[in-house]
Amino acid sequence: ETGVTQTPRHLVMGMTNKKSLKCEQHLGHNAMYWYKQSAKKPLELMFVYNFKEQTENNSVPSRFSPECPNSSHLFLHLHTLQPEDSALYLCASSQGRVEGRETQYFGPGTRLLVL
Amino acid sequence: AQSVAQPEDQVNVAEGNPLTVKCTYSVSGNPYLFWYVQYPNRGLQFLLKYITGDNLVKGSYGFEAEFNKSQTSFHLKKPSALVSDSALYFCAVRGESSGNTPLVFGKGTRLSVIA
Repeated sequence: ETGVTQTPRHLVMGMTNKKSLKCEQHLGHNAMYWYKQSAKKPLELMFVYNFKEQTENNSVPSRFSPECPNSSHLFLHLHTLQPEDSALYLCASSQGRVEGRETQYFGPGTRLLVL
Repeated sequence: AQSVAQPEDQVNVAEGNPLTVKCTYSVSGNPYLFWYVQYPNRGLQFLLKYITGDNLVKGSYGFEAEFNKSQTSFHLKKPSALVSDSALYFCAVRGESSGNTPLVFGKGTRLSVIA
């Protein structure tokens, strides 16, 4: 395994529900990422946190709200989602010092279905 | 702007034959190049990367990739394919001069190795 865990692995929610995705990394990294992977589309970067500071918000709708309480944990809070938000949500982490040449390590993902 | 192209959606190869998965890129300055593999219902796993130095990079599971600056390519290769290599492969790039621009992923190539 990569040292990045995600829970839950599968989630089904209605459009009015509120839920949260959790990511934890055991690699001592300082940067964490949320990606969205939809069928037939390239991987979409959503958010980046570097040393607990959000450094990237890639025009993500406000119904997705990230939280990074410390360097090891990252959450994605979901509220009033749409069916087109159904996708695999991937968390990744990297060292956080020289982002360009760093390797990102990915968790197994949360498969989200919005009904 | 930086971009990466994987021109083939699908590559089929017979077990035991050599395989190539193609990747070309466009960045400002020198590139940092990565290959990842994704097995069904899993996150992305790092295979190898090129930062600087030798143009031939060796990675996990017997894979290698050759950096070709004149052709702006970074094709993934393996001398003898295994059925277990069947998966989705992603190329990713970031330019050395890209500032805080995140890693850009290709849309992926599905490799199918037939016994």
